[in-house]
Amino acid sequence: SQELEQSPQSLIVQEGKNLTINCTSSKTLYGLYWYKQKYGEGLIFLMMLQKGGEEKSHEKITAKLDEKKQQSSLHITASQPSHAGIYLCGADIVDTGRRALTFGSGTRLQVQP
Amino acid sequence: NAGVTQTPKFQVLKTGQSMTLQCAQDMNHEYMSWYRQDPGMGLRLIHYSVGAGITDQGEVPNGYNVSRSTTEDFPLRLLSAAPSQTSVYFCASSYNSGPIQETQYFGPGTRLLVL
Repeated sequence: SQELEQSPQSLIVQEGKNLTINCTSSKTLYGLYWYKQKYGEGLIFLMMLQKGGEEKSHEKITAKLDEKKQQSSLHITASQPSHAGIYLCGADIVDTGRRALTFGSGTRLQVQP
Repeated sequence: NAGVTQTPKFQVLKTGQSMTLQCAQDMNHEYMSWYRQDPGMGLRLIHYSVGAGITDQGEVPNGYNVSRSTTEDFPLRLLSAAPSQTSVYFCASSYNSGPIQETQYFGPGTRLLVL
């Protein structure tokens, strides 16, 4: 969706390296969701952020929502092959008029052993 | 709980054929939705429902119909399949139908190929 931009589109890292994925909206976000999709499978919920400045962590994955609630970053520390997949951000964007998430186009992550 | 289930997992259609993609959830979720996923475009909302008997259009509703006669089921109907409808289709559900505060749970997807 043009309303939610993700970067980079793809990423190849060596195992053990850190990486960051960004998700940016031109509009204020009510809530920001991060999902992971393994190739050919469904979406797995990772984290939800609602408050400006909020930060959440799960294992080696940390997500932040900036103070203005228009950008979020997903940071993976010491990446492992199990982190490989497609990471999608989804957001409840103000004034779309729809009770549904708007998704970014995804970031494809490969982790090389 | 089985969560969100989708059938079939894979389907091949000829142009002009019709079919129904099934979606069911056993979590008593009010809110259900259908997305399609195309390369480089992320997920785009087709239709959604905030409860039994209530449906609304999403971003790309043309060529698709939905109905919600029960809380559990939310089928997606392709009226006359076109090659442009080749995609992976995901169904999702969440507990409430108010401002989105709840996690959406996704089904495993249906891969559709229209020849």
